[in-house]
Amino acid sequence: DAMVIQNPRYQVTQFGKPVTLSCSQTLNHNVMYWYQQKSSQAPKLLFHYYDKDFNNEADTPDNFQSRRPNTSFCFLDIRSPGLGDAAMYLCATSRAGGGGQPQHFGDGTRLSIL
Amino acid sequence: AQSVTQLDSQVPVFEEAPVELRCNYSSSVSVYLFWYVQYPNQGLQLLLKYLSGSTLVESINGFEAEFNKSQTSFHLRKPSVHISDTAEYFCAVSDSGGYNKLIFGAGTRLAVHP
Repeated sequence: DAMVIQNPRYQVTQFGKPVTLSCSQTLNHNVMYWYQQKSSQAPKLLFHYYDKDFNNEADTPDNFQSRRPNTSFCFLDIRSPGLGDAAMYLCATSRAGGGGQPQHFGDGTRLSIL
Repeated sequence: AQSVTQLDSQVPVFEEAPVELRCNYSSSVSVYLFWYVQYPNQGLQLLLKYLSGSTLVESINGFEAEFNKSQTSFHLRKPSVHISDTAEYFCAVSDSGGYNKLIFGAGTRLAVHP
């Protein structure tokens, strides 16, 4: 089945130690998104890619970076994680072009900060 | 600007009872509306969507939602819930832009009790 896969499912890192989360997709979708979701809250969009074009949300901290080396893969880099960055990180994809295309989500990576 | 309001943060209900999860949106342009469900420690799954046409849309697991333009609502209903329906439900709106960005409501926690 075509899907969105996130690795790892659980990640523990130390305060201030860089960490990378990965996402891959077999849907061949143009658009990929990264969300941060804290407990009992809605997902918050951090940024998205339209093909190779990167679009940052205005309130996304500089501490968060992303790379998309090809259509299938996208990475979220947190340069210096703080305790407030502990959250579930969700990757999603959609077909471009508007018209109400839905987003397809991975199962997320739960990040803990020690 | 678009926004979504989910009027109930938590809805407790007994098994086999009917349930309605309320969602109101605001937008000055045509919108596409979605309901997503999130089970514990998982990503979001598309439950159903309204793009155009019939105002009543159904999912494969017995949920339905009705688009009401005059009341700017998209409430989710199920005539008889199961224990397995216990989850977080998010209503979302998307505009006609090519990036398919979603604006989420705060979510409603549905707790089904035996």
